[in-house]
Amino acid sequence: DAKTTQPTSMDCAEGRAANLPCNHSTISGNEYVYWYRQIHSQGPQYIIHGLKNNETNEMASLIITEDRKSSTLILPHATLRDTAVYYCIVRVDAGNNRKLIWGLGTSLAVNP
Amino acid sequence: DGGITQSPKYLFRKEGQNVTLSCEQNLNHDAMYWYRQDPGQGLRLIYYSQIVNDFQKGDIAEGYSVSREKKESFPLTVTSAQKNPTAFYLCASSTGSGQINTEAFFGQGTRLTVV
Repeated sequence: DAKTTQPTSMDCAEGRAANLPCNHSTISGNEYVYWYRQIHSQGPQYIIHGLKNNETNEMASLIITEDRKSSTLILPHATLRDTAVYYCIVRVDAGNNRKLIWGLGTSLAVNP
Repeated sequence: DGGITQSPKYLFRKEGQNVTLSCEQNLNHDAMYWYRQDPGQGLRLIYYSQIVNDFQKGDIAEGYSVSREKKESFPLTVTSAQKNPTAFYLCASSTGSGQINTEAFFGQGTRLTVV
């Protein structure tokens, strides 16, 4: 079962920031939050991940609430090429085995 | 360029036939994974392998088989026992479980249609 819930779809104007929310209220203390995106009929692409602290890389920023029950992925200046399905994922570690638990994702449409 | 390659991109098979999907990576990754994706769904884990000559069942392994004879290769066979084989299949690789922070790199997928 997915450990995350996301809006089914969102819209964003080109050039504006896209803020994608994710709820993971049952996350455990050692479980990481990962974000991937998938452009239609392609393989998913890694964006960013975090545990407790906010993270930033060249693609996006990840803001995690203090209680870790939710997070927000921020695309600072969305372009048309950012139109994709964005997956918020919890990584579950069980001994030496590591699994990504995928939800249904948010379909982001960036409009001109 | 390093990467992960799946072939073919599209595959058609008759019902009752076994079919093998190829996945090759030159990233020197220890771990490899097979996922299945159905329309409007997230990814579901079929099989994964953390090291050569070892693999484990994922959440939906019934009707599938894998092998991991080489580090670079992790082929998936969809057998006739799989009741609903038509789907988009994705292969991924990552550094081993000994690494704390790992990201998975995905291939471009194989779309299997069984008629």
